[in-house]
Amino acid sequence: DAKTTQPPSMDCAEGRAANLPCNHSTISGNEYVYWYRQIHSQGPQYIIHGLKNNETNEMASLIITEDRKSSTLILPHATLRDTAVYYCIGYYTGGFKTIFGAGTRLFVKA
Amino acid sequence: NAGVTQTPKFQVLKTGQSMTLQCAQDMNHNSMYWYRQDPGMGLRLIYYSASEGTTDKGEVPNGYNVSRLNKREFSLRLESAAPSQTSVYFCASSELQSGANYGYTFGSGTRLTVV
Repeated sequence: DAKTTQPPSMDCAEGRAANLPCNHSTISGNEYVYWYRQIHSQGPQYIIHGLKNNETNEMASLIITEDRKSSTLILPHATLRDTAVYYCIGYYTGGFKTIFGAGTRLFVKA
Repeated sequence: NAGVTQTPKFQVLKTGQSMTLQCAQDMNHNSMYWYRQDPGMGLRLIYYSASEGTTDKGEVPNGYNVSRLNKREFSLRLESAAPSQTSVYFCASSELQSGANYGYTFGSGTRLTVV
């Protein structure tokens, strides 16, 4: 599985877009990029995933660069409840030893 | 509600005691995992089961054993608990095929303290 690199922490004002970057320069062609978040000490929660194309769902948007070496998770209108640790991981069929790094701790401030 | 259920939610053990953490999923997933998370850290894989009948070591397997009892259940056993095993333990499940599903589904965790 690809090793990912994320900033340890970020701040965002409530109501503004939160843009969380992830570097995955070692990602292979069959690896999807997945994003999860962990609120307090709950189990991580799936947010979104993609392979090549940009993706959007009711929670967030995922922008993947054309060379697939990096991606950005966008929370369009951050709320206080979005304060959490966000994990970016590479995952592919048969890739069971997925590495969850330390993630990015996002602080949304009023 | 469909998902991953872990029991117990909290446990305090004395050094040297043994216990089994239980995990069950009702999504008919093939693969199941045990992770541990220490304060301020990411998740580290202890063991995983790619499919019913198979188990393999992850990143930090020492001091643990697992059993894939059936497709639904995957248990984690601490034979002789040590203070270094104080952590939050998460069970997760997934399908084999990525991209067409939501990746991992996690349980709510078991908070274990070894004194």
